[in-house]
Amino acid sequence: GQNIDQPTEMTATEGAIVQINCTYQTSGFNGLFWYQQHAGEAPTFLSYNVLDGLEEKGRFSSFLSRSKGYSYLLLKELQMKDSASYLCAVLDSNYQLIWGAGTKLIIKP
Amino acid sequence: EPEVTQTPSHQVTQMGQEVILRCVPISNHLYFYWYRQILGQKVEFLVSFYNNEISEKSEIFDDQFSVERPDGSNFTLKIRSTKLEDSAMYFCASSANDRGHSNQPQHFGDGTRLSIL
Repeated sequence: GQNIDQPTEMTATEGAIVQINCTYQTSGFNGLFWYQQHAGEAPTFLSYNVLDGLEEKGRFSSFLSRSKGYSYLLLKELQMKDSASYLCAVLDSNYQLIWGAGTKLIIKP
Repeated sequence: EPEVTQTPSHQVTQMGQEVILRCVPISNHLYFYWYRQILGQKVEFLVSFYNNEISEKSEIFDDQFSVERPDGSNFTLKIRSTKLEDSAMYFCASSANDRGHSNQPQHFGDGTRLSIL
């Protein structure tokens, strides 16, 4: 079966750095997405990785290792507004997005 | 910036009734999707739609569900004989995705909160 694992919840301090990990086992791979979802709102696109390595976009970076079935999202200079759920999703061989359950990130002052 | 719009934002319906959830995807996008998210649970794929037909559907998307693109702009999800367990947020998404270029993200609408009584 298809499976995406990420931690249920993480806590970090304002101004700090946090890394949210995601491991996946899917039928085929056509890229991995990270989305941010505030409570009661729609997911919003953060990043896309299809090749191994690090993609940097401002305070957010995403890393992919296809051989390990592993990705992480790195958030720097954390702000209170970064409190949200972070969803890892993999595009499988049928170009269907398979979603993780999300990691709830709590930022403390 | 263009966005996906969904109406209504909240729909309350009696069990057994039919509901139609409406979406207007981003105008130059080619792929359309419906997802469901039950409160506190993960986002679940329902169906994808391309070139006026369903391209993929999940096990959840059974005969109770149907999708339609009645004109050049709207994309609808119909749920027949609604059940209590159909209560969820329903998100529409669209992408410019050409299958040969899968790096186009899916852009989500704000969702319709469906409450079945």
